[in-house]
Amino acid sequence: DVKVTQSSRYLVKRTGEKVFLECVQDMDHENMFWYRQDPGLGLRLIYFSYDVKMKEKGDIPEGYSVSREKKERFSLILESASTNQTSMYLCASSLGALVSQYFGPGTRLLVL
Amino acid sequence: AQSVTQLDSHVSVSEGTPVLLRCNYSSSYSPSLFWYVQHPNKGLQLLLKYTSAATLVKGINGFEAEFKKSETSFHLTKPSAHMSDAAEYFCVVSDQVSGNTPLVFGKGTRLSVIA
Repeated sequence: DVKVTQSSRYLVKRTGEKVFLECVQDMDHENMFWYRQDPGLGLRLIYFSYDVKMKEKGDIPEGYSVSREKKERFSLILESASTNQTSMYLCASSLGALVSQYFGPGTRLLVL
Repeated sequence: AQSVTQLDSHVSVSEGTPVLLRCNYSSSYSPSLFWYVQHPNKGLQLLLKYTSAATLVKGINGFEAEFKKSETSFHLTKPSAHMSDAAEYFCVVSDQVSGNTPLVFGKGTRLSVIA
């Protein structure tokens, strides 16, 4: 079975802190994705990556950056956390574009 | 550009009665369509997917969905609800012709099952 793991289930940070969210997949998938999930808004794509060192902006990239130095690892970075970035963050991976994505359990981030 | 509309934000059914979660999509070309489920405090899990094969798609846990091109719909159904079906459900569309287009998610439908 594909396994997507995220470094933390719950995280509490202060405004202005730099935050790293890590995601690792163990199935050699080329594609990796970061979403945020908010009540009533569904999932919104922040960034995605189709290959190592490659990244593409999603629908809401402002305030975020990403890093993909290795195929299995995709990191989401909040350069200066703000309270409006309090959310559930979901990482996903897939073998191709049209196949289903596999999701990690999510990181619930609270920015105070 | 593709989009997806889940017509109900919340559906409540009694245990043992049928489930219908409605989804309409918009896509320029031939879409791939998915339904995902998210149980409380869990990640998303794929229920079923349509990728231009049979229009009636069977998924896990007794769920199925029918692709209706004329109605641009992909409604999710289950004959008899179980308490364990209570969760959030997401309808998702991807555009086959656009290559590596990421998935576009609906806003979700919360299913409640009453004993």
